[in-house]
Order: sequence, then C-alpha cells, then structure tokens
Amino acid sequence: DQQVKQNSPSLSVQEGRISILNCDYTNSMFDYFLWYKKYPAEGPTFLISISSIKDKNEDGRFTVFLNKSAKHLSLHIVPSQPGDSAVYFCAATDGGATNKLIFGTGTLLAVQP
Amino acid sequence: GAVVSQHPSWVICKSGTSVKIECRSLDFQATTMFWYRQFPKQSLMLMATSNEGSKATYEQGVEKDKFLINHASLTLSTLTVTSAHPEDSSFYICSATPGPSYEQYFGPGTRLTVT
Repeated sequence: DQQVKQNSPSLSVQEGRISILNCDYTNSMFDYFLWYKKYPAEGPTFLISISSIKDKNEDGRFTVFLNKSAKHLSLHIVPSQPGDSAVYFCAATDGGATNKLIFGTGTLLAVQP
Repeated sequence: GAVVSQHPSWVICKSGTSVKIECRSLDFQATTMFWYRQFPKQSLMLMATSNEGSKATYEQGVEKDKFLINHASLTLSTLTVTSAHPEDSSFYICSATPGPSYEQYFGPGTRLTVT
C-alpha cells in the first residue's frame, strides 16, 4: 500500500522555467510534509517542508503548496537551474512516537540548459 | 550544521560474512536514528527506527536477526548485516533527528555488494 505517491517518474524542463513536482497521499493522519533532493549514490538533502495547518511555504526559489482536501502537495522551483537536476522525493509523517517518514517513489527532474 | 556521516561509503563482501555500517551525527545529538534501504530507481524503504539505549523498532518484513541495529550513544548507530547474501546488495542510508523534529538529516549512504 503506497501511502505517498509521485505519479510522474520523470520531468524535463528548460532552464529558467518553472518546475512543478507533484505528490499525492492517502493517509489523512499525515500532518507534516517534506521534500528531499537526492543525487545518485548520495543521501537525500532536505529542501523544504510544510505543516498541515498551512497551505503554502516558500524558501527562495522553492515553494511547497498543500491542498489537504485533495490530499495533494506540489513543489515549485522557479527559476529552474541545471544544478536542480536530481531525484526529488516527497515524504510525509503523522508524527507518532517515532516521527518516521513515509517516502514517495521519487521524480527525476532534468533541467535542460 | 546537522551533518550525518556513514562509514564505509562502499563495501564488497563475500556471501556468508557479516558487514557493519556506522552512522554518526557529527554536530548534534540524535535521539532517534533511522535506517533505510534503497533499491535502484526505487523509493527509500524504512527498515528500522532506533533510539539511544533501547531496542530498535523494525518495520514489517525486515528480519531483525539479520539486520542488527545498535544505538549505543546519542551520536552513533550501527547496522550489521549478518550472514550476507547477494540479495542483501543494496544502498543503505541512515538518518538522524536532533530531538523532537520531523526533519531527518541523512548520511551519504553505503553501497553494499555481496558476491
């Protein structure tokens, strides 16, 4: 049962344009969401997060939007840069005793110069 | 800040031997550490959660006798793959949280190849 889904395995955008990465979840108990960036053979790097009490969080070129009714979140990268090319994972947690994260399957973003 | 290291970064071992992977939080104390496994082009699969001084909590389907986890201090957790087999070959990643935080900080990962 995949509780966090990223339906687009890959995305290609031109440098300078907007990249939009999508994530859907099924567990209504999730109350905190995170986006991680990962290069091959490296550990994920934290990018940005959002609490379920908000619908938007912005940090520089990165903005995360949360639509709780649709159980959907998205990561916007503007403007996209070639260095943004990586696999992006969304993750969710319901807090609980361990704060464990449930990861999506990832989206490979390729930013073309 | 919030740097997590792993050692070794890659290891090749023969089938039947055991391999130990270390995970260290370098600049913070980690009350909780997590161990993940990632197969090529797949998501990170949580294997177990460990808290300092207590037994690890394993996810369903993960053999606790095969994947031994020890969280001996607030800055060190180890994963030992016992009697390794080729199907254990994978990318193992640890993460740590500095207290009651949702944000996990990941190590660079360890590539294990069992021949």
